[in-house]
Amino acid sequence: QVQLQQSGPGLVTPSQTLSLTCAISGDSVSSNSAAWTWIRQSPSRGLEWLGRTYYRSKWSTNYALSMQSRMTITPDTSKNQFSLQLNSVTPEDSAVYYCARDRCSGGDNCYLAYYDFWGQGTLVTVSS
Amino acid sequence: EIVMTQSPATLSVSPGERATLSCRASQSVRSNLAWYQQKPGQAPRLLMYGASTRATGIPARFSGSGSGTEFTLTISSLQSEDFAVYYCQHYNDWLTFGGGTKVEIK
Repeated sequence: QVQLQQSGPGLVTPSQTLSLTCAISGDSVSSNSAAWTWIRQSPSRGLEWLGRTYYRSKWSTNYALSMQSRMTITPDTSKNQFSLQLNSVTPEDSAVYYCARDRCSGGDNCYLAYYDFWGQGTLVTVSS
Repeated sequence: EIVMTQSPATLSVSPGERATLSCRASQSVRSNLAWYQQKPGQAPRLLMYGASTRATGIPARFSGSGSGTEFTLTISSLQSEDFAVYYCQHYNDWLTFGGGTKVEIK
C-alpha cells in the first residue's frame, strides 16, 4: 500500500519561502509509471494543481503557469521523497497543501491523469 | 482552460436513497474524468477514473457514466459514510477540478 507522509511548517511569514516534504512508502519517487504532484485547496480557489516531478530515463518537472516563476519541486532519491518550495508567499498562498501520486499514462510522455494516493494534507497559513 | 461545473452544489438525501451528481465540462474531455470523495479534515479519495472505472476498494454502489461533456456519479443507496463532498476532475490535455457537490443528510 502506498503511503505519503507530509511534513513542514504550518505558518509562514509573508515574502518568505514555504517548504514542504512528502515522504513516499510503498512506491519509488523514481517510478516509471507515476508522477509526484503537489495540489492545494482553499475556499477561494478550490482544488488547484501546482506542479509535479517524474522520472523517465531523466527527471522532468512541470509547473502551473501561475506558479512556475516562484515554485520548485525537487525529488530526493536517497530519502524516497519529494519537496515543494514556494518563494515570496503572500496571504493568498494560504491553503491546505497535498502531495499525491499521479497515475500518468503515455510512457515517457507521462500525460496528466488522476490521483490515487494522497498525503494527509498540511494547512499552511501565511501571516506575520 | 476547460471549466468543470458540478451540480447541484448541495444535495440533500436520506440514507438508503439514490444520489445522482452531475459534472459538465466546457468542452469535450472524452472519458478522461475522475471522481473523488472528500470528508472534513481528510484528503480527497479517488472513487472513479476513466469516467466509469471504480478505483481499488470502492464499493459497487458507486457508479460513473458519461463521456464528452456530461458525466454522472451515482450512489445507488446512500450509507452514512457517503455523506461528504464529491469532486470531478478532468485530465484531458491538462487538468482542472470541479467546485464540488456536498451530499448532506436530509
